[in-house]
Amino acid sequence: SAVISQKPSRDICQRGTSLTIQCQVDSQVTMMFWYRQQPGQSLTLIATANQGSEATYESGFVIDKFPISRPNLTFSTLTVSNMSPEDSSIYLCSVLRQENTEAFFGQGTRLTVV
Amino acid sequence: KQEVTQIPAALSVPEGENLVLNCSFTDSAIYNLQWFRQDPGKGLTSLLLIQSSQREQTSGRLNASLDKSSGRSTLYIAASQPGDSATYLCAVNSGGYQKVTFGTGTKLQVIP
Repeated sequence: SAVISQKPSRDICQRGTSLTIQCQVDSQVTMMFWYRQQPGQSLTLIATANQGSEATYESGFVIDKFPISRPNLTFSTLTVSNMSPEDSSIYLCSVLRQENTEAFFGQGTRLTVV
Repeated sequence: KQEVTQIPAALSVPEGENLVLNCSFTDSAIYNLQWFRQDPGKGLTSLLLIQSSQREQTSGRLNASLDKSSGRSTLYIAASQPGDSATYLCAVNSGGYQKVTFGTGTKLQVIP
């Protein structure tokens, strides 16, 4: 299994500010995925982060709001920019094991915007 | 477009009871199906992965089955314990790294 360390685990932020979430994997992976889970809802994919190229964003998500970095094969960051209370969610990073596409997740970042 | 539904949305049972959680999906052309557990405010813990060629997988008190033709999977939990209280999510991989669709989850409470 893959071990994924995600931080911070939670934060309370003022509206209009930005928060950067870090995700560290214990092995090299080609793709890393960022999800959002709004209160009481299931997971929605924000973007796929490939090392050495621009992230691929899903419909409804844009780079200006959720810039992503992927400097190497074990690390990625997601920034939530210019936050509003509607951004209050759990943000999760994920990887897929290449052999059987089993998905593994970080511990999640619980973000509250006030 | 794949849609994944989980029934019931919430379930409360006394300790020791055996229970079944249901997951249904609309497109049977799947690569695999995975069951997760999520504790409040936390990330997802993988419980069981069933490949499309498999009918079931077992881990301890958990057994997951897959019926692709009917678009259904069940997660069976034997002899439930208070520590099993969590939200259980199923996720369907329809092929390709971006095509993972999650259900809305079943919130389970096991009462001592």
